[in-house]
Amino acid sequence: AQTVTQSQPEMSVQEAETVTLSCTYDTSENNYYLFWYKQPPSRQMILVIRQEAYKQQNATENRFSVNFQKAAKSFSLKISDSQLGDTAMYFCAATSKDNAGNMLTFGGGTRLMVKP
Amino acid sequence: DAGVIQSPRHEVTEMGQEVTLRCKPISGHDYLFWYRQTMMRGLELLIYFNNNVPIDDSGMPEDRFSAKMPNASFSTLKIQPSEPRDSAVYFCASSLVMEASTDTQYFGPGTRLTVL
Repeated sequence: AQTVTQSQPEMSVQEAETVTLSCTYDTSENNYYLFWYKQPPSRQMILVIRQEAYKQQNATENRFSVNFQKAAKSFSLKISDSQLGDTAMYFCAATSKDNAGNMLTFGGGTRLMVKP
Repeated sequence: DAGVIQSPRHEVTEMGQEVTLRCKPISGHDYLFWYRQTMMRGLELLIYFNNNVPIDDSGMPEDRFSAKMPNASFSTLKIQPSEPRDSAVYFCASSLVMEASTDTQYFGPGTRLTVL
C-alpha cells in the first residue's frame, strides 16, 4: 500500500515571504508521479505542480517549486513571494498503478495561512 | 474545455431520501474518479472507472452507495437511503492516461451534501 504523509497540519507565513510545506511518501514502485493540489475556501481542488519520479530536475511553476529527494522519498513544496490568495489547504499526492490503471493517494493536508 | 462539471453544487436532504450526484468528465478523458472529503477522514477514493467500466469500488462505504457510468461523458453517484454521516463534499475527477503521460487528475468543483 502507498502512503503519503504531511506532518504539518497548519502553517502561516507573512505576505511576500517564502514558505516550505513538507511531504513524505512511501511506495514500492519505480515509476510514479507526485503532485501538489491546492484547495482554497471555495473547495475547488486545483493542481499546483507535478513531478515525474524518473526526472531528477525539480519541477517549477512560477512562484511554486518542489524539492524532490527520491532516495529520502520526500517531496516538499516551496512557495516564494507568498500572496494572500495562496491561503488554502495544500494536499500532497502520489500515483500508483493497480492492475488496470492509476490510483491517487492523498496526504492529510496542510492548512496555509498567508498573513498581510 | 469547461473542465470537470458536477451537479448540483449543494444538496440538502433529509435522512432516508435518495441522493444522486452527477459528473461530466473532461472530453476525451478515459478515467473517472469519485472521492469523498470529510474533516475526519480527509479525501477518500470511493470508486473509479476506466472507459466506463468500474475498476475498483473497494472504497465505496456500503451497499447504500452505487455509481454508474452509462457513457463516456456522464457518471452518477447515488446514495439510497442517505444518512447524516454521509454529509461530505463529493468530488469527481477525470484523467487521460497515455504512455508517458503524467496521470494528472483534474477535479470538479465538488458537491457539498448535507443530510439532516
